[in-house]
Amino acid sequence: DTAVSQTPKYLVTQMGNDKSIKCEQNLGHDTMYWYKQDSKKFLKIMFSYNNKELIINETVPNRFSPKSPDKAHLNLHINSLELGDSAVYFCASSHNGQGTYEQYFGPGTRLTVT
Amino acid sequence: GENVEQHPSTLSVQEGDSAVIKCTYSDSASNYFPWYKQELGKRPQLIIDIRSNVGEKKDQRIAVTLNKTAKHFSLHITETQPEDSAVYFCAAPSGYALNFGKGTSLLVTP
Repeated sequence: DTAVSQTPKYLVTQMGNDKSIKCEQNLGHDTMYWYKQDSKKFLKIMFSYNNKELIINETVPNRFSPKSPDKAHLNLHINSLELGDSAVYFCASSHNGQGTYEQYFGPGTRLTVT
Repeated sequence: GENVEQHPSTLSVQEGDSAVIKCTYSDSASNYFPWYKQELGKRPQLIIDIRSNVGEKKDQRIAVTLNKTAKHFSLHITETQPEDSAVYFCAAPSGYALNFGKGTSLLVTP
């Protein structure tokens, strides 16, 4: 029983391409997140959705666009990929969006831009 | 927003010794402080958390202490084992998400 799943696990692509990462949670949680983990292991929040509504949009380029078709799914679309986008992207979910409940992370998507 | 500082960035201990990782936060209204463990190539997972109405919480070999006056909290691992080797992150609420510290890479040598 996978709680938070992401696809694909690995993504290798060239600069300038557009790609998407999908995330699904089966925990019945209201809130979902996207984090970026760079090569120094720093975990940084990118977006947060609560019941399909965007509640956090940190300073990320507008080439990154999250989409939440329902509260169990939060996908991340990236346009015009750049070398600096190479990182591991983690999806997560929690009971609510106040940062005061455990966050369950997906397995991560390792994006490599060449 | 909340600013979380974590020290040290790397920590090497011998098996059986204790390890302590410290974090400070800036927002005095913060009331929830989790610790996550990330093994190599894996996802971060919650190992222990503490809420602001208590000063210490223990779970077997791990414990977390909280000093609200000084705005710092610490993770204590006793009788370390090689499988404790991982990156540990502290965090504090920031708006509608968690703000993570920069992580501590713990290495436990046999």
